[in-house]
Amino acid sequence: ETGVTQTPRHLVMGMTNKKSLKCEQHLGHNAMYWYKQSAKKPLELMFVYNFKEQTENNSVPSRFSPECPNSSHLFLHLHTLQPEDSALYLCASSLLTSGATYEQYFGPGTRLTVT
Amino acid sequence: LAKTTQPISMDSYEGQEVNITCSHNNIATNDYITWYQQFPSQGPRFIIQGYKTKVTNEVASLFIPADRKSSTLSLPRVSLSDTAVYYCLVPGAGSYQLTFGKGTKLSVIP
Repeated sequence: ETGVTQTPRHLVMGMTNKKSLKCEQHLGHNAMYWYKQSAKKPLELMFVYNFKEQTENNSVPSRFSPECPNSSHLFLHLHTLQPEDSALYLCASSLLTSGATYEQYFGPGTRLTVT
Repeated sequence: LAKTTQPISMDSYEGQEVNITCSHNNIATNDYITWYQQFPSQGPRFIIQGYKTKVTNEVASLFIPADRKSSTLSLPRVSLSDTAVYYCLVPGAGSYQLTFGKGTKLSVIP
């Protein structure tokens, strides 16, 4: 238990579906992140939210839409995905301070399969 | 972002000490060096972080030479459960992004 929860843990969706991934952190952190990990590839940072403001978007396709209503919750809305979007989607949170120690706490991930 | 280089894989027998070295030649003055561990189908887990010299916690030690262009993660007396991928990360000046490379896949053999 890292203090970061993700739901659902597994998701199978068709290319025309719309679904959302949810992440919640119980650590009092002020930054949240979405990562994608495809098979045999390094983790790829997708989005960063700092104090609910999106500060990073690493050229992610518009079919992925993040939402951060408060510093404890983060969503990833999915629509018209492609089979190559099948991956493990990981949420993380951290406490950003002037010292910026970069210790991120990761959730267990959502295993997404697009059919 | 600072680039890091570490071995792709390592094998070790149970009970041995394992040292994984990471090079980060263009580390910035204010950068910390952070190591994570990842098991299959799980999120990475923070192991240890340091700025210079030596840092030790209950699971590992981190050795950083004076020039800070490399660092070595030391795992004492590994067990089968230490089989995982280990990532060395240096964010780069002015950034709080973590760029994960391919990491080092450690296989512990009985």
